[in-house]
Amino acid sequence: EPEVTQTPSHQVTQMGQEVILRCVPISNHLYFYWYRQILGQKVEFLVSFYNNEISEKSEIFDDQFSVERPDGSNFTLKIRSTKLEDSAMYFCASRQSYLYEQYFGPGTRLTVT
Amino acid sequence: KNEVEQSPQNLTAQEGEFITINCSYSVGISALHWLQQHPGGGIVSLFMLSSGKKKHGRLIATINIQEKHSSLHITASHPRDSAVYICAVRSHNTDKLIFGTGTRLQVFP
Repeated sequence: EPEVTQTPSHQVTQMGQEVILRCVPISNHLYFYWYRQILGQKVEFLVSFYNNEISEKSEIFDDQFSVERPDGSNFTLKIRSTKLEDSAMYFCASRQSYLYEQYFGPGTRLTVT
Repeated sequence: KNEVEQSPQNLTAQEGEFITINCSYSVGISALHWLQQHPGGGIVSLFMLSSGKKKHGRLIATINIQEKHSSLHITASHPRDSAVYICAVRSHNTDKLIFGTGTRLQVFP
């Protein structure tokens, strides 16, 4: 069964460094998402992406964040200058169309020291 | 006040018991999702519904749009059902999901 994959599974970085989290959505899906979950808290929406542009973003998704679909398969989340409070699990998700459910990747645990 | 509220926050059960997890929301929605999060952190989509009832194996999800309420039922619960169950809604004219805080379920043999 097709699945969303994410790399790396765990990333440790120092405060102020740039990180890129990578996702490979399911191949025929058109809508892409990033979510984050700070340890012990609920999952929060970051951004949705459709037709090669951001369709919606949350207040969390400030200028330090960016997303890109550099080729036909990858979908990336970049954090330019990481802060301690960026430490969280980041989930990528995709879906085929508006009528279908989202499929989540296994997540990338980001630890900022 | 959270836009999506779940109850209970924690639930323990003996194997074989019938489980009900509730979700109430305060916004108009186009769809409601039930998700399962395993101890390792991965999230699996169980159901997406906008009306009525859906069933998959031992899992049943219902929604009452007028009352802004949904329930997830697990029949004949099993220790492998132990996980966090999350309710999330997509409100009208938006593509973002709003998540509840989850219900932690532990099923003991």
